[in-house]
Amino acid sequence: AQKVTQAQTEISVVEKEDVTLDCVYETRDTTYYLFWYKQPPSGELVFLIRRNSFDEQNEISGRYSWNFQKSTSSFNFTITASQVVDSAVYFCALSEGGGYNFGNEKLTFGTGTRLTIIP
Amino acid sequence: DTEVTQTPKHLVMGMTNKKSLKCEQHMGHRAMYWYKQKAKKPPELMFVYSYEKLSINESVPSRFSPECPNSSLLNLHLHALQPEDSALYLCATGTGQETQYFGPGTRLLVL
Repeated sequence: AQKVTQAQTEISVVEKEDVTLDCVYETRDTTYYLFWYKQPPSGELVFLIRRNSFDEQNEISGRYSWNFQKSTSSFNFTITASQVVDSAVYFCALSEGGGYNFGNEKLTFGTGTRLTIIP
Repeated sequence: DTEVTQTPKHLVMGMTNKKSLKCEQHMGHRAMYWYKQKAKKPPELMFVYSYEKLSINESVPSRFSPECPNSSLLNLHLHALQPEDSALYLCATGTGQETQYFGPGTRLLVL
């Protein structure tokens, strides 16, 4: 069975500091997808990034960067120069399968990390 | 612009009421999902529709009844709910292993 662990329940940092959100996953599949979603107080889950299991390249998008390491089953998310608007709950998620299970895919979410940026 | 919309944004209902949640997508996706999210918890999958057919029902009580009239619409009919059903209900769309895109959700309170 697949599992996603976000050990950090809550993090608070002062604005402009860098912060890293940890995500560790478990899966028996060799083909899988990893995701990060942001959930601000309004409630909508906002997609941030998707990574497939064959692509270990790190990615940077503006102030956001992601570090995918299969050797440690981790997919960590770093926000550089944090801003108040980054305050939200962040979920890491895993989807198994090689694309053959259309309509039967499931996202397994971690428990989320509540990030508070202090002005 | 949000391409997955949900109505209503808020809903208060009594335990004897019948109400419906609506979700509409304009992304051309053929998979649609209903999730339930309690406070301070991750979303929990309820139902999956694939090409307008129900493909996954996560043992959801029958007081929740999903419907997919066409490829753009997804409904969740509610009847005889319990106070513990109060939650944020999220709709999502996707294309298989591709990303699931979520709507803004409906906050439901059952009195």
